[in-house]
Amino acid sequence: GDSVTQMEGPVTLSEEAFLTINCTYTATGYPSLFWYVQYPGEGLQLLLKATKADDKGSNKGFEATYRKETTSFHLEKGSVQVSDSAVYFCALRAGQGAQKLVFGQGTRLTINP
Amino acid sequence: NAGVTQTPKFQVLKTGQSMTLQCAQDMNHEYMSWYRQDPGMGLRLIHYSVGAGITDQGEVPNGYNVSRSTTEDFPLRLLSAAPSQTSVYFCASSYLGVSPYYGYTFGSGTRLTVV
Repeated sequence: GDSVTQMEGPVTLSEEAFLTINCTYTATGYPSLFWYVQYPGEGLQLLLKATKADDKGSNKGFEATYRKETTSFHLEKGSVQVSDSAVYFCALRAGQGAQKLVFGQGTRLTINP
Repeated sequence: NAGVTQTPKFQVLKTGQSMTLQCAQDMNHEYMSWYRQDPGMGLRLIHYSVGAGITDQGEVPNGYNVSRSTTEDFPLRLLSAAPSQTSVYFCASSYLGVSPYYGYTFGSGTRLTVV
């Protein structure tokens, strides 16, 4: 079945460090890919998305590129801030007409000043 | 503000008690769903609905019931709570359709503890 695998956390970085959170997927059909962010005590918010190969999603300084050849959608940010501390979820929606999102296990990110 | 509203935010139940988690959205979304979030397991789909009167099971439906009598509301019922149902529950909604894809809107969650 469809699945998403994220790098295990927690991840702790210093402010202004470079961030990569790895995400790989297995899916039938041609999935759309997403990153969601969950700040403490809140629900999930859509951070960015990509719907076809080589698309780059970007938002708030975060980027991720849909790599069909490696079935990956790694999240990157060049210079993280304390306010980026949150849990990040990679997710996929598999194929035409599919409504359900399949989530990875989440990666907790802590940024120290 | 438009969005998904979940109530209550916190709940403690005793084993065997029943309760209903409420979810309401005011965006006229056809699709609504319930997820549970457990440490190290991400979000797992419990039940979902593509419109009033239509519901279906997700990945972990056992112990939960749903109904969808209106477009706006999608309550989740626990008939006989068990400690294994201790979790954080999220309701999410979306427009149907593939293109363009609108993304899910999530509620702020209900933290449930069963003792």
